[in-house]
Amino acid sequence: DQQVKQNSPSLSVQEGRISILNCDYTNSMFDYFLWYKKYPAEGPTFLISISSIKDKNEDGRFTVFLNKSAKHLSLHIVPSQPGDSAVYFCAARNTGTASKLTFGTGTRLQVTL
Amino acid sequence: DSGVTQTPKHLITATGQRVTLRCSPRSGDLSVYWYQQSLDQGLQFLIQYYNGEERAKGNILERFSAQQFPDLHSELNLSSLELGDSALYFCASSLSPIETQYFGPGTRLTVL
Repeated sequence: DQQVKQNSPSLSVQEGRISILNCDYTNSMFDYFLWYKKYPAEGPTFLISISSIKDKNEDGRFTVFLNKSAKHLSLHIVPSQPGDSAVYFCAARNTGTASKLTFGTGTRLQVTL
Repeated sequence: DSGVTQTPKHLITATGQRVTLRCSPRSGDLSVYWYQQSLDQGLQFLIQYYNGEERAKGNILERFSAQQFPDLHSELNLSSLELGDSALYFCASSLSPIETQYFGPGTRLTVL
């Protein structure tokens, strides 16, 4: 049962344009969401997070949007840079019962020149 | 560099063997988590410890066990290894169970 889904395995975007990565979840008990970036041969690196009491969180070039009614979140990267090329994982947790993270399968972003 | 260290980086072993993976959390972090990532899959939560005590368990096989020591480092023991146990094993740590988890570089286990 895949409770966190990233339906796009890959995405290619030109440098300077916007990258939009999507994530859907099925568990309505999730109340905190995170995005991690992963380069090859490295562990996931925390990028940005959002609590379910908010619908938007921004940090520099990265913005996460949460639509609770649709059980959907998205990560926007503007402007995209070649160094952003990596695999992006969406993760969710239910803080009340356990702090474990449930991850999506990831989206490979390639930013081209 | 997240501050979380894992050893070894790579491990190649045979079916039926037993291995131990080691994790040192970031300085000050009390919570340690173990995750498994099989080929092209997301990370699957295995187990969490907080200040030496088991806090949460995921789909961890009975052949696998873990512990967190008084100095807060953690070890994941995998026994009676099977081909399907080949994966990346990540350790993460956080200050407390509700804080952001920071991941180590992982241990790549190959079972032949």
